[in-house]
Amino acid sequence: GAGVSQTPSNKVTEKGKYVELRCDPISGHTALYWYRQSLGQGPEFLIYFQGTGAADDSGLPNDRFFAVRPEGSVSTLKIQRTERGDSAVYLCASSSGGLAGEETQYFGPGTRLLVL
Amino acid sequence: KQEVTQIPAALSVPEGENLVLNCSFTDSAIYNLQWFRQDPGKGLTSLLLIQSSQREQTSGRLNASLDKSSGRSTLYIAASQPGDSATYLCAVTAGGFKTIFGAGTRLFVKA
Repeated sequence: GAGVSQTPSNKVTEKGKYVELRCDPISGHTALYWYRQSLGQGPEFLIYFQGTGAADDSGLPNDRFFAVRPEGSVSTLKIQRTERGDSAVYLCASSSGGLAGEETQYFGPGTRLLVL
Repeated sequence: KQEVTQIPAALSVPEGENLVLNCSFTDSAIYNLQWFRQDPGKGLTSLLLIQSSQREQTSGRLNASLDKSSGRSTLYIAASQPGDSATYLCAVTAGGFKTIFGAGTRLFVKA
């Protein structure tokens, strides 16, 4: 079916505001990842879901960042009290959730967040 | 702490040239290593995945090798084309499914 989709594609907000970024993984993929990418850098791991649970959230930078995946499909990354330093491209990826060594990740196009 | 380094940071070659991109990582306890391509303003496209038990993978003009003991991988691109111009990213996945990326190599192939 369709690939990974992310909405919105672009988001401009003001410092201090709350934002939600959405990820629709490939149908049937149980594993879902969030990354943040700054200009000229590789993606930085934020959080990994296996099904509905966050199996590894060690990359979330602070408690302003939170992510959910209530039904094991769509995921939402939530950022409270946004700061200018949160400006980046937020990428989502999914994989089949099978054996760890065989996990090809499929990426969405990203959401470009700009905090003014 | 796992660190991934890619050399060179940028590369410009004439069309038709064979080239090698390098990736090194500090912790050899990995599940796999992946090479991705990223076009400007786009998401990442997986090119090759090498499992920890494998030494290389091939896809068309691309060949990736993995030497876990030395913490190195190379991506070989044969007969480069202008359409190969992009940023190439190397990533390793270790325990906990945490994937660590390098900063990438920006490749420009001149027609």
